[in-house]
Amino acid sequence: ETGVTQSPTHLIKTRGQQVTLRCSSQSGHNTVSWYQQALGQGPQFIFQYYREEENGRGNFPPRFSGLQFPNYSSELNVNALELDDSALYLCASSAGLADYNEQFFGPGTRLTVL
Amino acid sequence: QQQVKQSPQSLIVQKGGISIINCAYENTAFDYFPWYQQFPGKGPALLIAIRPDVSEKKEGRFTISFNKSAKQFSLHIMDSQPGDSATYFCAASGDFRGGGNKLTFGTGTQLKVEL
Repeated sequence: ETGVTQSPTHLIKTRGQQVTLRCSSQSGHNTVSWYQQALGQGPQFIFQYYREEENGRGNFPPRFSGLQFPNYSSELNVNALELDDSALYLCASSAGLADYNEQFFGPGTRLTVL
Repeated sequence: QQQVKQSPQSLIVQKGGISIINCAYENTAFDYFPWYQQFPGKGPALLIAIRPDVSEKKEGRFTISFNKSAKQFSLHIMDSQPGDSATYFCAASGDFRGGGNKLTFGTGTQLKVEL
């Protein structure tokens, strides 16, 4: 069984650029959640996808968008990058929406915006 | 109202000692309280979780104590080992509209267990 994988591992962008981060969910999981973890902080919920539909969004602007594909992998897109977008972006997959469906986190993508 | 407050920010414990991390929440709609462990360069991993209908849950050296009336919960690590050195996050989730099992995390506690 393959765990949650994310790509790329690290990324450096300049302010105003756009970025796409990718996540492959664990086998058998149909739910993917994205979190932003600033340095020294806890992860903050960005949004969640369940069976290719967005199922909730945190307090992030519309320039943060996402997709989930039929194989349940997912993308996070961020437009018009700002310096404050520098963070570790974590993807978590689970077998459903219930709280007892454990969320398995990937290792994250470290984004640096210069 | 969605916040989870966590303390201390950092903690140094001697090997064999007890590590205690505390969290408090405001929103009574939270009904699931997991603790996550994160090592450098890794994503968080679920350690142990509790629901408000029990006051304590123990798994090996890890125990969650839950005080529903005070809206507080804590993680106790017994016989702390150097391998426990990591960042620990409390979290909470509830049956909110949308976002299914979305987690609201505390700010984290960096634990160091010294020999």
